[in-house]
This record gives sequence, structure tokens and C-alpha cells, in this order.
Amino acid sequence: AQSVTQLGSHVSVSEGALVLLRCNYSSSVPPYLFWYVQYPNQGLQLLLKYTTGATLVKGINGFEAEFKKSETSFHLTKPSAHMSDAAEYFCAVSDYTGGFKTIFGAGTRLFVKA
Amino acid sequence: NAGVTQTPKFRILKIGQSMTLQCTQDMNHNYMYWYRQDPGMGLKLIYYSVGAGITDKGEVPNGYNVSRSTTEDFPLRLELAAPSQTSVYFCASSYGGEKLFFGSGTQLSVL
Repeated sequence: AQSVTQLGSHVSVSEGALVLLRCNYSSSVPPYLFWYVQYPNQGLQLLLKYTTGATLVKGINGFEAEFKKSETSFHLTKPSAHMSDAAEYFCAVSDYTGGFKTIFGAGTRLFVKA
Repeated sequence: NAGVTQTPKFRILKIGQSMTLQCTQDMNHNYMYWYRQDPGMGLKLIYYSVGAGITDKGEVPNGYNVSRSTTEDFPLRLELAAPSQTSVYFCASSYGGEKLFFGSGTQLSVL
């Protein structure tokens, strides 16, 4: 069965600093991997996804993630944090053995200090 | 294009009451999902469906039931509400198991 582990329930960075949110997954077959963002009192929206092809994936708002099969990781990065990036971020995985049901990690709340 | 529509947005139930959370999508997506979100726990999959007439359990199905009689609708039924079911519920849909489109959520309190 698929699973996702997000390291760190809270991450705090200064405005302009590098953002790094960690995600490790478990899947017995090539997975689909996703990062979603949730702003306060809103639903989730897709930041980026990996299905096949290039392992470095670029998303919206300057975020990117790299699929590393050998490390079973899909960490999310952004070179320079902005105050508007403060939100909760969820890593998710799906694959065909699970009927493509999407399983989420516990989430990482990002705080950005001025 | 409405996307995924959930009703109601808020509801308070007494212990033992029943209710149905409604979810409909107008994108002709084959996959539909119900999640619950609790603080610090992320989203947990309750039930999902890969098409009309087909449903399957997710990670936390106990206390819930679903049906999928049409492509558009995927209602979630709580038969005997318990305080442990206090949560925010999200319905989502996708085409072929890729990007999920989420509804705006239902905040449910069971007292």
C-alpha cells in the first residue's frame, strides 16, 4: 500500500530564504506524486505533480520538486520565500495498484517571518 | 463551470443522528473521493469511486457509507453520528487518478 511521510509538521523561514519541505513516499510501483497547498479556511489546490518523464518538476508560484527514486523522495523547494507562501503543504501519492486512490501526508505548516 | 460542489458548508449534529453530505461534479470525472481533515493528521481517505456503480473503502471507512449511482454524484452518509466524526470533510474528483479537484469542504460538529 502507498504511504507518505512528511518530515516536520512546522517549518519556519525568513522572507527571502530557501524553502525546503521534505516528503518521502512508499510505493511498490512507479508512483504519481503531488504537492498541494492549503491556505487558511480554503480547500486544497495543486502546486505541482510528477507522473512520468522529467524528474525535476516546476509548479506554480516558483515552487519545484525533484523525484528521486533511489531515495523515495519528492522534496518541495522554493529559492526565496515570500510572506504569501505561508500556508499548509501536503505531499500525496497514488499508483495503479491502489486503484489510483490518492493518499496524503500529514502536512507541513510553513511560517514566513518578515 | 462549477467544478466540485459540496453541501452543506456547516452542520451541527447530535450524537446518534444521521445525515448525508452531498457532492456533485460537472467535469465528467470518473474518480471521486471523500476525505476527512483533522488538525495535524492531514487528509484521510474515507471512500473512493472509480466510476458509477463502483465504490471502495479508503483508510478510515468505519461509520460511513457511500453510493455512486451516477458519474456526477457521490454522497457520503453518516448513519449514527459520533463525536469522533467531528471533522472537515472534503469531496474531490479527478480524471484517471491524476490532479484532484476539491470542493470547498463541510465543517461538521457532532455534539
